[in-house]
This record gives sequence, structure tokens and C-alpha cells, in this order.
Amino acid sequence: KAGVTQTPRYLIKTRGQQVTLSCSPISGHRSVSWYQQTPGQGLQFLFEYFSETQRNKGNFPGRFSGRQFSNSRSEMNVSTLELGDSALYLCASSLSLSVPNEKLFFGSGTQLSVL
Amino acid sequence: DQQVKQNSPSLSVQEGRISILNCDYTNSMFDYFLWYKKYPAEGPTFLISISSIKDKNEDGRFTVFLNKSAKHLSLHIVPSQPGDSAVYFCAASGSSGSARQLTFGSGTQLTVLP
Repeated sequence: KAGVTQTPRYLIKTRGQQVTLSCSPISGHRSVSWYQQTPGQGLQFLFEYFSETQRNKGNFPGRFSGRQFSNSRSEMNVSTLELGDSALYLCASSLSLSVPNEKLFFGSGTQLSVL
Repeated sequence: DQQVKQNSPSLSVQEGRISILNCDYTNSMFDYFLWYKKYPAEGPTFLISISSIKDKNEDGRFTVFLNKSAKHLSLHIVPSQPGDSAVYFCAASGSSGSARQLTFGSGTQLTVLP
């Protein structure tokens, strides 16, 4: 079974631009969650989608948005990029909603650098 | 305000000895706890979990202990192997309110020395 696939692997953007990241979950998984990882901050929850609906959202500004398609693939968009958005963005899939006790399967992440 | 805290950014242990990684939480609504391991350039992978109805869960070399009154959990690795060198994240969630979001700690870099 193929794992969680994230594309692209690396991205370099400049301030003010926007970016779209893509995530293909494990076949059969209906939930996709997004996390931001920065040094010393661990993984910060962005949002979770299940059956094309956003089910939960973390404390990030509205510049961060996402969507999920009928095949469970998900995209995440960041508009008006800021230097502080430089981070590793991780996508995780699970069979059902991640809480309270689902196991997450992570992709390798997209490393975003904002110059 | 970090609801899940891993106060040790790094830990070094000799091969064959015990590794103990610690995690503290503040949200009393958390009732499910997980540990993930992350190698460089890879996503985290699930290691072990524990429900709040238990105080210990064991899987091979890995054991997680939960002390609900202290809001503290720990991961024990015995014996430690060089391949265990990775960043370890603890995470917590619950069924209601502010806990309905998987919350991760900042991670502990474990280095197992041969």
C-alpha cells in the first residue's frame, strides 16, 4: 500500500506570494490533517478535513486555508507569504477523524522557504 | 500556551541502556496519548499509545507510563539501540472541548551512542 504522498518536496517563495501544497492520503483513508513544524515548536495543528469538510481548525490566520477533494486528496494554500511561514508542512492521513484515538500516517513533508 | 511539553530538547544514552523520555500536559480533558518517532527527512511514524484508563502500555522494547494525577507520561526504551536515534514527539487528544485536536510536544532528540 502506498504511503502518504506530499508534493512538492521543496519550495522556495518570496514574501507576498502564495503557495499551494498537495497531499495524497493512503488509499481508503478519509481524513487528512495538516501540521506545521518549525524548530523548537513541535508540530502545530493547522486543520483537518474529513469527507471534503473541514472538521477542525488550529490557531492560524486566515491566510492558511485548505480543501479536500472527493478522492480524499487535499491541498493547502498559504496566501501573502511571510518570512515566518518558512517551515516543514506535514500532511497526515487516518481512516477516520484523528481524535480521539486514531493513528496518523504522515508524509515526508514539504519544506517551504520564504525569502 | 503549550498544552503538551517536552522539557528536554535532547538526550544521549549509551547503547544497551534505558532511554527515558518525558512529557507533561496541562489540559485535563486529554485522555489519549501517543508517541511518534521522526527520522530526518521523513515524516513522523507512530510508535505507541495509551488511553487514560490505563497507566502502562508495553510493546516490545517500548513502554509508555501514564501518571494522570501528575499529568505526566514517559516513554521507556529498553535496551536502547543506535537505530532508535531520532526525534520523539508525544501527543495528546481527547473526546471533547479544547482537547478535540491532536496536540504535539516540541520533541526530544534521542541519540543512542554505540
